[in-house]
Amino acid sequence: AQSVTQPDIHITVSEGASLELRCNYSYGATPYLFWYVQSPGQGLQLLLKYFSGDTLVQGIKGFEAEFKRSQSSFNLRKPSVHWSDAAEYFCAVGAYAGKSTFGDGTTLTVKP
Amino acid sequence: KAGVTQTPRYLIKTRGQQVTLSCSPISGHRSVSWYQQTPGQGLQFLFEYFSETQRNKGNFPGRFSGRQFSNSRSEMNVSTLELGDSALYLCASSSLSGANTDTQYFGPGTRLTVL
Repeated sequence: AQSVTQPDIHITVSEGASLELRCNYSYGATPYLFWYVQSPGQGLQLLLKYFSGDTLVQGIKGFEAEFKRSQSSFNLRKPSVHWSDAAEYFCAVGAYAGKSTFGDGTTLTVKP
Repeated sequence: KAGVTQTPRYLIKTRGQQVTLSCSPISGHRSVSWYQQTPGQGLQFLFEYFSETQRNKGNFPGRFSGRQFSNSRSEMNVSTLELGDSALYLCASSSLSGANTDTQYFGPGTRLTVL
């Protein structure tokens, strides 16, 4: 069975500081991995996705993620956080986008 | 291009009633997936439709059903509502290539409250 673990329920960082959100997955085959962001009262927006190839993936809004097969991880990073990045972030894994298993999410708070 | 639209945005029902939620995918998208989001269970996959056929189904009771029309619009139905069905129901569409690598675009969701 596939599963996703986001170990950090809540993270607080100062504006301008770097950010890393952790994601560990369990999947029986080559995984397709995704990071989404959800602002309050909104649906989810895709930040980036990994299917194959270069293990460092660039996404929108200055985010990137690195796939590490040996560690079953797909951590999301951003070098400098902006106040508008405050939201909930979800990591997901699946055979394809349309049938994804999501982690429980990490809520990001940005301090001024 | 218009995004995924879901109607209604908010809904209040009482236990035992049934409800139908609607989702209009992005034009040209033939795959529609439904998810339930609750504080306790997080985001859970309900089912996916492609070209009017249910391709995959999550672990939900038979009270949860769906369908897709020839124009790719989709509806989901929940019968005999329970308090635990209160949730944000999200719909997502994707165009799906043969490589299954397409992006999912989510709608804003329907907030269902069961009293």
